[in-house]
Amino acid sequence: GAGVSQSPSNKVTEKGKDVELRCDPISGHTALYWYRQSLGQGLEFLIYFQGNSAPDKSGLPSDRFSAERTGGSVSTLTIQRTQQEDSAVYLCASSLAGDITDTQYFGPGTRLTVL
Amino acid sequence: KNEVEQSPQNLTAQEGEFITINCSYSVGISALHWLQQHPGGGIVSLFMLSSGKKKHGRLIATINIQEKHSSLHITASHPRDSAVYICAVRFKGSNYKLTFGKGTLLTVNP
Repeated sequence: GAGVSQSPSNKVTEKGKDVELRCDPISGHTALYWYRQSLGQGLEFLIYFQGNSAPDKSGLPSDRFSAERTGGSVSTLTIQRTQQEDSAVYLCASSLAGDITDTQYFGPGTRLTVL
Repeated sequence: KNEVEQSPQNLTAQEGEFITINCSYSVGISALHWLQQHPGGGIVSLFMLSSGKKKHGRLIATINIQEKHSSLHITASHPRDSAVYICAVRFKGSNYKLTFGKGTLLTVNP
């Protein structure tokens, strides 16, 4: 079946603009994760969804970042008033149930460039 | 502080060589993942370990909980194994958050 998809694949924006990044998880996966991969910083956890709820938002770097998930499926990560340090690849992953033994399936990522 | 350290940072090998990548972490964990990322490509989960050893094809992953250390081995390495290998752990008490190592860039030359 289809894997995790993300859109857009690339996004270039100007400093101060808002952006929305979309993730479509694998059908039937209740757990969804957002990560960020910055040059020289490696991967960082941002937020975890179980269904439409976000029990762990501990990785969101500031209140400019927010995320929601609707219908237990699609998720949107919104970054308001973007800054140059927000430039990174934003990755989404999903897993069947969120158990620690579950395999996470990663999307291809959205490369965000803030000019 | 919850930290994950990988070594080496970069590794170059000749085709056929046995490869070992190491991962150490600072405090107790509930799970450890090994991930693979090809240049310009997506991330694939290779293994999830909470104890012992797992094998998949030419890849073997081991974990020593007492020593807080895991290794990823590749036997009979091949140029297509060239990728970044990333260790990620779920620290006890950190709910669902994964903490990642900085990755090991492996290059296997023919």
